[in-house]
Amino acid sequence: EPEVTQTPSHQVTQMGQEVILRCVPISNHLYFYWYRQILGQKVEFLVSFYNNEISEKSEIFDDQFSVERPDGSNFTLKIRSTKLEDSAMYFCASSFNRGTSYTFGSGTRLTVV
Amino acid sequence: KNEVEQSPQNLTAQEGEFITINCSYSVGISALHWLQQHPGGGIVSLFMLSSGKKKHGRLIATINIQEKHSSLHITASHPRDSAVYICAVATQGGSEKLVFGKGMKLTVNP
Repeated sequence: EPEVTQTPSHQVTQMGQEVILRCVPISNHLYFYWYRQILGQKVEFLVSFYNNEISEKSEIFDDQFSVERPDGSNFTLKIRSTKLEDSAMYFCASSFNRGTSYTFGSGTRLTVV
Repeated sequence: KNEVEQSPQNLTAQEGEFITINCSYSVGISALHWLQQHPGGGIVSLFMLSSGKKKHGRLIATINIQEKHSSLHITASHPRDSAVYICAVATQGGSEKLVFGKGMKLTVNP
């Protein structure tokens, strides 16, 4: 069964450093998403991406965050200057179309120290 | 007020029991998703539904749009069903995001 692949599975970074989280969505999917889950809290929407541009973003997704689909297969989330409160599990997801089911990746646990 | 509420927050059951997990929402939706999150953290999509009922193996999901309520039933529960079950909704109005509930932690003892 097709999978969404995320790398790395766990990343530890120092406060103020830039991090890039990587995702390979399912190949024929057209919509891509990033969500995050702070430990003990519910999953929160960050951003959706379609047709090579951001289609929707949340208030969390400020200027410190950016997304890119650099080569037609990878979908990346960059945090420019990490803060302690960015520590969370970050999930990538993809769907074939709007209103269809999602496939989630296994997540990247980001720890900012 | 949370847009998506789940009950109970935790449930412990014995193997073989019939389990019901509830989800209520306060907004207009285009679809409701039931998801499973294992201890390692990964999320698996179980169902997406906008009306009626869906069944997959021992899992049954129902939704009542008028009452803004959905249930996930597990028949003949097994210890491997132990996980967090999350309800999430896609809201009406063209938004693509899912709004998540807090999840319900299920433990099934042998």
